[in-house]
Formats: sequence, C-alpha cells, structure tokens
Amino acid sequence: DAGVIQSPRHEVTEMGQEVTLRCKPISGHDYLFWYRQTMMRGLELLIYFNNNVPIDDSGMPEDRFSAKMPNASFSTLKIQPSEPRDSAVYFCASSQDRWDYNSPLHFGNGTRLTVT
Amino acid sequence: GQQLNQSPQSMFIQEGEDVSMNCTSSSIFNTWLWYKQDPGEGPVLLIALYKAGELTSNGRLTAQFGITRKDSFLNISASIPSDVGIYFCAGPRSQGNLIFGKGTKLSVKP
Repeated sequence: DAGVIQSPRHEVTEMGQEVTLRCKPISGHDYLFWYRQTMMRGLELLIYFNNNVPIDDSGMPEDRFSAKMPNASFSTLKIQPSEPRDSAVYFCASSQDRWDYNSPLHFGNGTRLTVT
Repeated sequence: GQQLNQSPQSMFIQEGEDVSMNCTSSSIFNTWLWYKQDPGEGPVLLIALYKAGELTSNGRLTAQFGITRKDSFLNISASIPSDVGIYFCAGPRSQGNLIFGKGTKLSVKP
C-alpha cells in the first residue's frame, strides 16, 4: 500500500498565479479530506468528500479556493489567484469511514506552498 | 465553536526524561485521538480513546480520557530522540469530521 500520495511536495509561485495541488487517496477509502497547516492556526479542515461528493466545504477560506474529486482515485485543490497568505502546508488525508480507530485518517506527506 | 487547546506549545527535554502534555476543550468530546507528526511528514494516529476515564497504552505512550470528557493527556516515558515531532490531539466535531489542536512540539536532546 503506497499510502496517500500528494504532489508536488513543494510549490513556489508568485502572487496571482493559479496553483493546483493533487492527491491520490488510498484505494478503497471512501472519504477524502483536505487540511491546511499553519503555525498560527494549526491544522484546519478545508473540505471533505464522501464517495467523490463534497460533503462539507465550510472550511474553504474563500472563492479563490476550489476542490474537485472527479473519481475515487484523484482529487485536486486549486487556488486562483494565489496570495502570500495562502502559504502553508496542505495535507490530503483519506479514510475508509469518516473517522474511527479502525478507520483512522491516513495523511499524505503534504505540499508546502510558498506564494511570493 | 468547538476548539481544542493543547499545552504546552513546545517542550525541550533531555533523552530519558518522561513527558506529559494535555488537551482541553470547553465542549464535551466522546472520542479523543492523539496523532504524531514527524518533521516533513503527515500526522499518524498513535492512540484512540473512546470512554471517559479510559487509560490506554501503546508502548511507551499512555493516554487518558478525562472523566469530564473535556480533557485528555498523553504521557511519554523514557523519551528517545525519535520521539521528536509535533503531537496533536483531535476529536470529532458535531458535524462528524475531526478537529485538531494546534499541537505540542517536542524536542529531545540526546
């Protein structure tokens, strides 16, 4: 099992550019989560999907952020246009069920985004 | 809204020392989870607690679910250099998904 795979590992972009982060969840996992980690705010849930359908996007900061899950093995988080305050580590996580010790969240290694 | 407050924010200890950290909330949680994040990686689940008063161990780690259901603590005995990382508590929100504390950053001096 390769685990949750995120790409790229690092992204440096200029303010105003479009950024696309990618995630491949663990096969068979029905839930996919996007988190953002900053020093100030810790780990914040942005959005999560169940069976490819967005369930709760109340954590998405603003309209510049969008997420899609076109199929069970792929999700994207897009920021357009990007701003310096978007700089953070973005994590994708998946789980078989919503959460449970028998169905824990498996996190990817994150994408470190720097917007200059 | 529901929030988890972790303390301390950071700890610097000598190898071999015991470590204690805790997590509190103004809301009741029915489950407490403890995750560890190694540098450059995503968090990994260490321990899950499901019952008020429950004490659970995983190797050198011990965690307890407070009887008020508003707090939990994590102890690490005889710390080693690979214990370095950020430790998060987490619990399910009323909406069902997990929220995380801001973490306790542990540094271990050999």
